[in-house]
Amino acid sequence: KAGVTQTPRYLIKTRGQQVTLSCSPISGHRSVSWYQQTPGQGLQFLFEYFSETQRNKGNFPGRFSGRQFSNSRSEMNVSTLELGDSALYLCASSPTPPGQGRRNEQFFGPGTRLTVL
Amino acid sequence: EDKVVQSPLSLVVHEGDTVTLNCSYEVTNFRSLLWYKQEKKAPTFLFMLTSSGIEKKSGRLSSILDKKELFSILNITATQTGDSAVYLCALDTQGGSEKLVFGKGTKLTVNP
Repeated sequence: KAGVTQTPRYLIKTRGQQVTLSCSPISGHRSVSWYQQTPGQGLQFLFEYFSETQRNKGNFPGRFSGRQFSNSRSEMNVSTLELGDSALYLCASSPTPPGQGRRNEQFFGPGTRLTVL
Repeated sequence: EDKVVQSPLSLVVHEGDTVTLNCSYEVTNFRSLLWYKQEKKAPTFLFMLTSSGIEKKSGRLSSILDKKELFSILNITATQTGDSAVYLCALDTQGGSEKLVFGKGTKLTVNP
Protein backbone atom coordinates (compact mmCIF):
# COMPACT_ATOMS: atom_id res chain seq x y z
CA LYS A 1 0.00 0.00 0.00
CA ALA A 2 1.44 3.37 -0.95
CA GLY A 3 2.08 5.80 1.86
CA VAL A 4 1.07 9.42 2.22
CA THR A 5 2.51 11.49 -0.60
CA GLN A 6 3.15 15.20 -0.57
CA THR A 7 4.02 17.47 -3.46
CA PRO A 8 6.16 19.31 -4.08
CA ARG A 9 8.89 18.09 -1.75
CA TYR A 10 10.82 21.36 -1.85
CA LEU A 11 9.68 24.86 -2.66
CA ILE A 12 11.29 28.28 -2.64
CA LYS A 13 9.12 31.39 -2.65
CA THR A 14 9.57 35.07 -1.92
CA ARG A 15 7.78 37.20 0.64
CA GLY A 16 4.31 38.25 -0.40
CA GLN A 17 3.73 35.32 -2.75
CA GLN A 18 1.25 32.58 -2.12
CA VAL A 19 1.79 28.82 -2.18
CA THR A 20 -0.32 25.68 -2.49
CA LEU A 21 0.83 22.35 -1.08
CA SER A 22 -0.78 19.02 -1.91
CA CYS A 23 -1.30 15.84 0.11
CA SER A 24 -2.56 12.49 -1.16
CA PRO A 25 -3.60 10.23 1.71
CA ILE A 26 -3.18 6.49 1.94
CA SER A 27 -5.86 4.74 -0.10
CA GLY A 28 -9.02 4.41 1.99
CA HIS A 29 -8.03 7.10 4.46
CA ARG A 30 -10.56 9.91 4.69
CA SER A 31 -9.04 12.08 7.41
CA VAL A 32 -6.17 14.45 6.61
CA SER A 33 -4.32 16.68 9.07
CA TRP A 34 -1.72 19.34 8.39
CA TYR A 35 1.16 20.37 10.62
CA GLN A 36 3.91 22.98 10.51
CA GLN A 37 7.33 22.10 11.90
CA THR A 38 9.95 24.77 12.67
CA PRO A 39 13.08 24.62 14.84
CA GLY A 40 11.69 27.27 17.19
CA GLN A 41 8.10 26.13 17.66
CA GLY A 42 8.36 22.43 16.89
CA LEU A 43 5.43 20.58 15.35
CA GLN A 44 2.20 22.57 15.42
CA PHE A 45 -1.27 21.54 14.27
CA LEU A 46 -2.78 23.57 11.44
CA PHE A 47 -6.10 21.91 10.59
CA GLU A 48 -7.85 18.61 10.06
CA TYR A 49 -10.30 17.57 7.36
CA PHE A 50 -12.71 14.67 7.12
CA SER A 51 -15.22 14.09 4.35
CA GLU A 52 -14.38 17.46 2.76
CA THR A 53 -15.17 19.35 5.98
CA GLN A 54 -12.73 21.09 8.27
CA ARG A 55 -13.23 19.46 11.64
CA ASN A 56 -10.53 21.08 13.75
CA LYS A 57 -8.30 24.11 13.46
CA GLY A 58 -5.11 25.23 15.18
CA ASN A 59 -4.03 28.73 16.16
CA PHE A 60 -2.75 30.04 12.86
CA PRO A 61 -3.72 33.26 11.07
CA GLY A 62 -6.27 33.30 8.29
CA ARG A 63 -3.48 33.34 5.69
CA PHE A 64 -3.36 29.59 6.21
CA SER A 65 -6.25 27.74 4.64
CA GLY A 66 -7.00 24.31 3.34
CA ARG A 67 -9.52 22.15 1.64
CA GLN A 68 -10.26 18.50 0.97
CA PHE A 69 -11.63 17.01 -2.19
CA SER A 70 -14.10 14.18 -2.67
CA ASN A 71 -11.23 11.72 -3.28
CA SER A 72 -9.81 12.73 0.14
CA ARG A 73 -6.81 14.51 -1.36
CA SER A 74 -6.11 17.75 0.44
CA GLU A 75 -4.43 21.03 -0.31
CA MET A 76 -3.26 23.79 1.95
CA ASN A 77 -2.67 27.35 0.86
CA VAL A 78 -0.61 30.07 2.45
CA SER A 79 -1.17 33.58 1.13
CA THR A 80 1.07 36.63 1.55
CA LEU A 81 4.06 34.57 2.60
CA GLU A 82 6.27 35.80 5.44
CA LEU A 83 9.82 34.79 6.28
CA GLY A 84 8.51 33.01 9.37
CA ASP A 85 6.45 30.67 7.19
CA SER A 86 9.64 28.86 6.22
CA ALA A 87 9.09 25.39 7.63
CA LEU A 88 8.52 21.72 6.97
CA TYR A 89 4.82 21.17 6.29
CA LEU A 90 3.67 17.69 7.18
CA CYS A 91 0.46 16.01 6.24
CA ALA A 92 -0.94 12.95 7.98
CA SER A 93 -3.81 10.67 7.01
CA SER A 94 -6.01 8.38 9.03
CA PRO A 95 -8.83 5.94 8.21
CA THR A 96 -10.95 7.08 11.15
CA PRO A 97 -12.87 10.30 11.75
CA PRO A 98 -11.54 12.79 14.29
CA GLY A 99 -12.52 12.27 17.89
CA GLN A 100 -12.24 8.47 17.82
CA GLY A 101 -9.11 8.37 19.95
CA ARG A 102 -7.23 6.34 17.37
CA ARG A 103 -4.34 8.65 16.56
CA ASN A 104 -2.10 5.58 16.46
CA GLU A 105 -3.65 4.87 13.05
CA GLN A 106 -2.44 8.19 11.65
CA PHE A 107 0.48 8.08 9.21
CA PHE A 108 2.64 11.03 8.25
CA GLY A 109 3.91 11.96 4.82
CA PRO A 110 7.51 13.02 4.09
CA GLY A 111 6.64 16.71 4.15
CA THR A 112 7.14 19.74 1.92
CA ARG A 113 10.10 21.93 2.79
CA LEU A 114 9.08 25.56 2.14
CA THR A 115 11.69 28.28 2.11
CA VAL A 116 10.56 31.90 1.98
CA LEU A 117 13.20 34.42 0.88
CA GLU B 1 -2.93 26.85 27.09
CA ASP B 2 -2.01 23.21 26.52
CA LYS B 3 1.70 22.61 26.95
CA VAL B 4 4.02 19.64 26.42
CA VAL B 5 7.65 19.87 27.57
CA GLN B 6 10.30 17.32 26.68
CA SER B 7 13.67 16.90 28.31
CA PRO B 8 16.47 16.78 27.66
CA LEU B 9 16.43 18.66 24.36
CA SER B 10 19.40 16.66 23.16
CA LEU B 11 21.35 13.67 24.34
CA VAL B 12 24.54 11.99 23.12
CA VAL B 13 25.27 8.44 24.25
CA HIS B 14 27.38 5.44 23.24
CA GLU B 15 26.01 2.27 21.75
CA GLY B 16 24.79 -0.06 24.46
CA ASP B 17 23.78 2.70 26.87
CA THR B 18 20.26 2.95 28.29
CA VAL B 19 18.44 6.27 27.90
CA THR B 20 15.34 7.77 29.48
CA LEU B 21 13.47 10.52 27.67
CA ASN B 22 10.99 12.66 29.58
CA CYS B 23 7.70 14.26 28.62
CA SER B 24 5.72 16.41 31.05
CA TYR B 25 2.49 18.15 30.21
CA GLU B 26 -0.05 20.72 31.24
CA VAL B 27 -3.10 19.55 29.34
CA THR B 28 -6.45 19.50 31.03
CA ASN B 29 -8.33 17.10 28.82
CA PHE B 30 -6.77 14.46 26.61
CA ARG B 31 -7.48 10.99 25.28
CA SER B 32 -3.99 9.63 24.93
CA LEU B 33 -0.28 10.39 24.93
CA LEU B 34 1.73 9.30 21.90
CA TRP B 35 5.43 8.86 21.21
CA TYR B 36 6.93 9.23 17.73
CA LYS B 37 10.37 8.74 16.19
CA GLN B 38 11.44 11.24 13.54
CA GLU B 39 14.58 10.29 11.64
CA LYS B 40 14.49 12.46 8.57
CA LYS B 41 11.10 13.78 7.68
CA ALA B 42 8.00 11.75 8.55
CA PRO B 43 7.43 10.98 12.24
CA THR B 44 6.69 7.30 12.78
CA PHE B 45 4.42 6.06 15.55
CA LEU B 46 5.94 4.21 18.51
CA PHE B 47 3.43 4.02 21.38
CA MET B 48 0.03 5.25 22.43
CA LEU B 49 -0.71 5.39 26.16
CA THR B 50 -4.18 5.93 27.54
CA SER B 51 -4.05 4.60 31.08
CA SER B 52 -1.77 5.47 33.93
CA GLY B 53 0.77 2.94 35.12
CA ILE B 54 0.55 0.44 32.27
CA GLU B 55 3.91 -0.02 30.58
CA LYS B 56 3.98 -0.48 26.84
CA LYS B 57 6.91 -2.44 25.39
CA SER B 58 8.25 -3.05 21.94
CA GLY B 59 11.62 -4.73 21.81
CA ARG B 60 14.17 -2.45 23.46
CA LEU B 61 11.72 0.43 23.80
CA SER B 62 9.21 0.89 26.59
CA SER B 63 7.02 3.71 27.83
CA ILE B 64 4.83 4.51 30.78
CA LEU B 65 2.37 7.25 31.63
CA ASP B 66 1.76 8.80 35.06
CA LYS B 67 -1.48 10.79 34.96
CA LYS B 68 -1.18 11.82 38.59
CA GLU B 69 2.24 13.42 38.19
CA LEU B 70 1.52 14.48 34.58
CA PHE B 71 4.45 12.90 32.80
CA SER B 72 5.55 10.06 30.60
CA ILE B 73 8.92 8.46 29.97
CA LEU B 74 10.34 6.61 27.01
CA ASN B 75 13.11 4.14 27.79
CA ILE B 76 15.51 2.70 25.25
CA THR B 77 17.83 -0.06 26.41
CA ALA B 78 20.98 -1.31 24.66
CA THR B 79 20.93 1.64 22.28
CA GLN B 80 22.07 1.24 18.67
CA THR B 81 23.19 3.81 16.12
CA GLY B 82 19.88 3.27 14.35
CA ASP B 83 18.12 4.74 17.38
CA SER B 84 19.57 8.15 16.52
CA ALA B 85 16.57 10.38 15.84
CA VAL B 86 14.33 13.03 17.31
CA TYR B 87 11.76 11.55 19.68
CA LEU B 88 8.48 13.42 19.90
CA CYS B 89 5.82 13.27 22.57
CA ALA B 90 2.27 14.42 21.76
CA LEU B 91 -1.08 14.61 23.49
CA ASP B 92 -4.36 13.95 21.71
CA THR B 93 -6.50 16.68 23.23
CA GLN B 94 -10.28 16.57 23.44
CA GLY B 95 -12.94 19.15 24.15
CA GLY B 96 -12.80 22.33 22.11
CA SER B 97 -10.32 21.95 19.27
CA GLU B 98 -9.25 18.32 19.12
CA LYS B 99 -5.67 18.01 17.98
CA LEU B 100 -2.23 16.60 18.65
CA VAL B 101 -0.14 18.96 20.80
CA PHE B 102 3.55 18.15 20.41
CA GLY B 103 6.58 18.76 22.54
CA LYS B 104 9.68 20.11 20.82
CA GLY B 105 11.36 16.74 20.89
CA THR B 106 14.52 15.16 22.23
CA LYS B 107 17.35 14.71 19.73
CA LEU B 108 19.13 11.45 20.53
CA THR B 109 22.53 10.72 19.02
CA VAL B 110 23.98 7.25 19.53
CA ASN B 111 27.69 7.03 18.75
CA PRO B 112 29.37 3.71 17.90
